[in-house]
Amino acid sequence: DAKTTQPPSMDCAEGRAANLPCNHSTISGNEYVYWYRQIHSQGPQYIIHGLKNNETNEMASLIITEDRKSSTLILPHATLRDTAVYYCIVPIPAMNYGGSQGNLIFGKGTKLSVKP
Amino acid sequence: EPEVTQTPSHQVTQMGQEVILRCVPISNHLYFYWYRQILGQKVEFLVSFYNNEISEKSEIFDDQFSVERPDGSNFTLKIRSTKLEDSAMYFCASSDVIWSNQPQHFGDGTRLSIL
Repeated sequence: DAKTTQPPSMDCAEGRAANLPCNHSTISGNEYVYWYRQIHSQGPQYIIHGLKNNETNEMASLIITEDRKSSTLILPHATLRDTAVYYCIVPIPAMNYGGSQGNLIFGKGTKLSVKP
Repeated sequence: EPEVTQTPSHQVTQMGQEVILRCVPISNHLYFYWYRQILGQKVEFLVSFYNNEISEKSEIFDDQFSVERPDGSNFTLKIRSTKLEDSAMYFCASSDVIWSNQPQHFGDGTRLSIL
């Protein structure tokens, strides 16, 4: 089962910031938090990941609490095209040395609806 | 931006037939994955592949499934004798292994319909 919990759905007004929360209270010290999204039936799209510091890229910002038990994905100016299911994932560590993050366990995610 | 490409986008096959789904991972990536998503359900991990062998596989990945990297660019998933319950979207992903914790990048999937 997924190691994270997320609200099943959220609404956001177009142009406003979308703040998507995620709880990962059992996360270990060396496990990263990854965010992906899935628009309709397309393949999951990588958004951002982090360990303990806040991260920002061209798509979003990731805020991780100091105890690392929760995080928030922020889409600063949501558009209609950001309507998707957002997944917060803490991967199972890879079994063998090689640097991979290991396989991803997808939960049900948060269905974000951006409304005009 | 480089991307993972999958072909075909939609495959229709009779039950009991063999099917091969094809993927071209991002060119400098060395870890490859297959996932599937039955309609209306979660995305599920099937198998990961590194250095020409399976790294990990899930319970779903039984003897009917196999993976192969037949050349330097393609990564394939074969289902030997398809069942109705194999109908799903199948997603290929790849990741860079030079640095740890690099994200997996997904293709847009192949919709497999078993009749």
